[in-house]
Amino acid sequence: GAGVSQSPSNKVTEKGKDVELRCDPISGHTALYWYRQSLGQGLEFLIYFQGNSAPDKSGLPSDRFSAERTGGSVSTLTIQRTQQEDSAVYLCASSPFPTGRNQPQHFGDGTRLSIL
Amino acid sequence: DAKTTQPTSMDCAEGRAANLPCNHSTISGNEYVYWYRQIHSQGPQYIIHGLKNNETNEMASLIITEDRKSSTLILPHATLRDTAVYYCIVIGGYNKLIFGAGTRLAVHP
Repeated sequence: GAGVSQSPSNKVTEKGKDVELRCDPISGHTALYWYRQSLGQGLEFLIYFQGNSAPDKSGLPSDRFSAERTGGSVSTLTIQRTQQEDSAVYLCASSPFPTGRNQPQHFGDGTRLSIL
Repeated sequence: DAKTTQPTSMDCAEGRAANLPCNHSTISGNEYVYWYRQIHSQGPQYIIHGLKNNETNEMASLIITEDRKSSTLILPHATLRDTAVYYCIVIGGYNKLIFGAGTRLAVHP
């Protein structure tokens, strides 16, 4: 079956613009995660969705970042008033129900965001 | 969340076994050890995970010491396509993965 799909694969935008990044998780996966990877850095957790529970937003770096997950499937990560330090690869992962520490996360190939 | 320590880089000859070590001395009793790898320009790829028993799948084997303070990922017959950064992760709360710097494995002919 299809894996995690992210779009666009690349996005170049000017500083100050808003951007939306999309993630389609694996069908039937109830848990969805966003991470980002800055150049030469490790992956950094951003936000986690599980079913209808309140998301864990503890990794979002500022209030310019927000994410939604509609209908328990597709998720959108929005960055408002982008800054150059937002340039990174944004990665989405999903894992199946029931979510537990024994369930691996499966990643998409990410959106490479470049802020000019 | 338990931290992990891995060598920065390793080399392996094609066709030989690659043994990648990881220390996780502060691991808690219910925390799993996960291994992922990342090939350039791709998202992390899940390899294997375990709690306390050794595990094997079509990609690799995972050997966890009895005290669970360290583990070794074994790629039995490394190929050039196994060149990647390998991450050993002890999973944290809400299952969020906390990635360290990983081990850069270079497989050479």
